[in-house]
Amino acid sequence: GENVEQHPSTLSVQEGDSAVIKCTYSDSASNYFPWYKQELGKGPQLIIDIRSNVGEKKDQRIAVTLNKTAKHFSLHITETQPEDSAVYFCAATKAGYQKVTFGIGTKLQVIP
Amino acid sequence: EAQVTQNPRYLITVTGKKLTVTCSQNMNHEYMSWYRQDPGLGLRQIYYSMNVEVTDKGDVPEGYKVSRKEKRNFPLILESPSPNQTSLYFCASSLGDGGSYEQYFGPGTRLTVT
Repeated sequence: GENVEQHPSTLSVQEGDSAVIKCTYSDSASNYFPWYKQELGKGPQLIIDIRSNVGEKKDQRIAVTLNKTAKHFSLHITETQPEDSAVYFCAATKAGYQKVTFGIGTKLQVIP
Repeated sequence: EAQVTQNPRYLITVTGKKLTVTCSQNMNHEYMSWYRQDPGLGLRQIYYSMNVEVTDKGDVPEGYKVSRKEKRNFPLILESPSPNQTSLYFCASSLGDGGSYEQYFGPGTRLTVT
């Protein structure tokens, strides 16, 4: 089955700096890679996703990159703000195939 | 308001006492799933359902049952709970095929089994 490794498990950055979270996956058939943000006491919420036919996707201060050859993908948050503090999860799956494997999560702390 | 609801939000029970956690969505989504979240282990999929009467095992199905008799509901059943099932549980739904695989998560159910 699929195995997703995520690191770091915790990350502290100064407000305004960039944050990068990295994930690797094992199943070369996986083709959909979402990132979820979980705020304290809430369920995860999708912030960005990427499919395997695309190498990079941006949405304002958030970007995701995918390297299919190396089987890794990364989340980049620029100009971090205190409200970016949360736990971030990466995941891998095959679109249309509903078994989803998540990483262990990264707790991001943005220090004002 | 489009949402996934779970009940109860908090539950403390004893070993062996059957319990059901309900999950309901009002978005007419085909796909629903249950996850458990544990420190250091992230989110792990328990069961998922592609549609009514279609369910399949995720990565950690032991000790759990599910049913999908109606499109909107996907209850999680613990027939004989044990302390190792103490966890935070999330239900999620998505449109499925059709281009959108975004999962919408419920608020979570914190279960303690003593």
